[in-house]
Amino acid sequence: QSALTQPPSASGSPGQSVTISCTGTSSDVGGYDFVSWYQQYPGKAPKPIIYEVNKRPSGVPDRFSGSKSGNTASLTVSGLQPEDEASYYCSSYASYNWVFGGGTKLTVL
Amino acid sequence: QVQLQESGPGLVKPSETLSLTCTVSGGSIDSRSYYWGWIRQPPGKGLEWIGSIYYGGSTYYSPSLKSRVTISEDTSRNQFSLKLRSVTAADTGVYYCARHNLPPSNWFDPWGQGTQVTVSS
Repeated sequence: QSALTQPPSASGSPGQSVTISCTGTSSDVGGYDFVSWYQQYPGKAPKPIIYEVNKRPSGVPDRFSGSKSGNTASLTVSGLQPEDEASYYCSSYASYNWVFGGGTKLTVL
Repeated sequence: QVQLQESGPGLVKPSETLSLTCTVSGGSIDSRSYYWGWIRQPPGKGLEWIGSIYYGGSTYYSPSLKSRVTISEDTSRNQFSLKLRSVTAADTGVYYCARHNLPPSNWFDPWGQGTQVTVSS
């Protein structure tokens, strides 16, 4: 199973919205509504911020939202804050196989 | 709450076997409610799922690593372990252990802090 495809970088100014894409195949992203997104700061372990495409765990700001269309999932960060500067990884279930994306480094300008 | 901690050698020679252990506290790995997995991150790169183990010792491996990986559990010590054989420099990176929900969920939480493994002679 190949890694999911994400843009290596994204950026936006405080208060703006940014969307990060995650492209897979019909065997992973397109085949299951089990896409998650993880936020990772340098030197730290990833932290889940979205699960099952568009659900937010408690404690995650509602500025973070997820969606999916076909084989592509997306993470939108609205009202960018300086603390949103981090790397973001998507992940999909793929029949007893779990696939991650290559990651997107989000810069808050 | 559940906490995970990776341990093992930080330096492994090429062609040898990488061995890591994940010690779980605050919860039992001998549970039908969760899977226990290994994920790695090469320097400056993305995350890669290596494999997972479930109650009773059922294992699931990444197709790309399956021929070199063995994951096992020691329920008496509440630990699970990773062995990766015939390592090369491409296996260098940070190795994480994490708990995840039953398939088809891919909710990995919590994670250990990660341990750096370097493959070099």
